[in-house]
Order: sequence, then C-alpha cells, then structure tokens
Amino acid sequence: SQQGEEDPQALSIQEGENATMNCSYKTSINNLQWYRQNSGRGLVHLILIRSNEREKHSGRLRVTLDTSKKSSSLLITASRAADTASYFCATGNTGGFKTIFGAGTRLFVKA
Amino acid sequence: DVKVTQSSRYLVKRTGEKVFLECVQDMDHENMFWYRQDPGLGLRLIYFSYDVKMKEKGDIPEGYSVSREKKERFSLILESASTNQTSMYLCASSLDVGGPNTGELFFGEGSRLTVL
Repeated sequence: SQQGEEDPQALSIQEGENATMNCSYKTSINNLQWYRQNSGRGLVHLILIRSNEREKHSGRLRVTLDTSKKSSSLLITASRAADTASYFCATGNTGGFKTIFGAGTRLFVKA
Repeated sequence: DVKVTQSSRYLVKRTGEKVFLECVQDMDHENMFWYRQDPGLGLRLIYFSYDVKMKEKGDIPEGYSVSREKKERFSLILESASTNQTSMYLCASSLDVGGPNTGELFFGEGSRLTVL
C-alpha cells in the first residue's frame, strides 16, 4: 500500500529556477522523509521532518509539513543540472518498522 | 562512511532458477529491509528484519523468502524465479525504531534482476 503520493509525477525546469514537489499521505506519521535517487542507483536520504515540526532547511532544500492536511512539500532552490533525479517522499509511521514510499517525482533540470 | 553493499548490481536468470541477493551493512543497524522498485509503483516492501533470525513480511512477500543469520547480512531468496520478478531490488538498513527518527533508511545501490 502506498502512503505518500507525490505531485507532480514529472517536472522540467531551467537551471537556476526553484523546484517544488508535493507529497500527500493518508495515516498518522512519526515523521516524513525525502529521498533522492539518481537513475539506476539506490536512494539517498535528504531530510527528515518530525510530525511536530512545520519547516526544516538543509542547504538548498526546504521542507514543510502540514499534518492537518497530511501533506508536505520539498523546495529545491537555485536548481542545478546535477539535481536531475527522482525524488521520493516516505513516511515513518507511529510505532512501526515500515517506511512507506510514494511513486516519486522525476525532476529534470536543463542546463 | 556508512555503507550498505549489495553483492550484484545486475543479474540475468532463467525462469525457475533459484536466486540469491545478498546485502551487507557496516553500520551495526538492527533493522534491514528488502524493497522492490518498479516504474510507477514506487518502492514496495518485501520483507524486513529487526534482529538476527527474525523476519517479518512486508507488503508483497509472495514468491520471496529471506535469511538473516548475522546482524550485518540480510539475504533475499527467490526460490523459483518468474518473469514478473524482473525488477530493481533495493536493500536498506535503519537504526532507530519506534522513536522520532523511525524509518530513516540507508540504501544500497540496488540489484537489477532480469528473469527470462
């Protein structure tokens, strides 16, 4: 069962622009995470935001969490061609072992 | 540097063959996971293990089994490979369970399996 649903499925922007990806989920969570995956490679953890946090920054990444709407957004500022990848949101559920992933957003940054 | 290593990046097997996918982590993590990834479906959990010799079914365990004889090693076994098991298989590990960081995963590079 998929918990996170990303939107849009694909995004194409010019280098230097900001990229925003959204994620919605269905059940209560401990935290929400964002991962990045380069083509044909494993996933790399980017950032984790806890259920009692509303916003978190890491370098050019900004994540927001709205638990009342069960949604999160990932903003990548001043994008670079090297940001081209798929981005996944994932939820860590209360008391559980499972991290459940959405289908991902494919980001393409044109140089 | 923390690391999760999957033994094979690419495998080609025939229908009916037994397939072993090996995963080793060097972070002393308690929890290890096997996911498969298919286009449009995201990552789906096959099995996970929270301790040596312990295993739990994930969302799609049918056709798979696992083995965890040592803390650092988690193996995925396809007893009789079928074409619908052609996929990317991702191993992951995590440290914290039940707390605020539950689920933060460290992934291997993946094993792309093709079953002919």
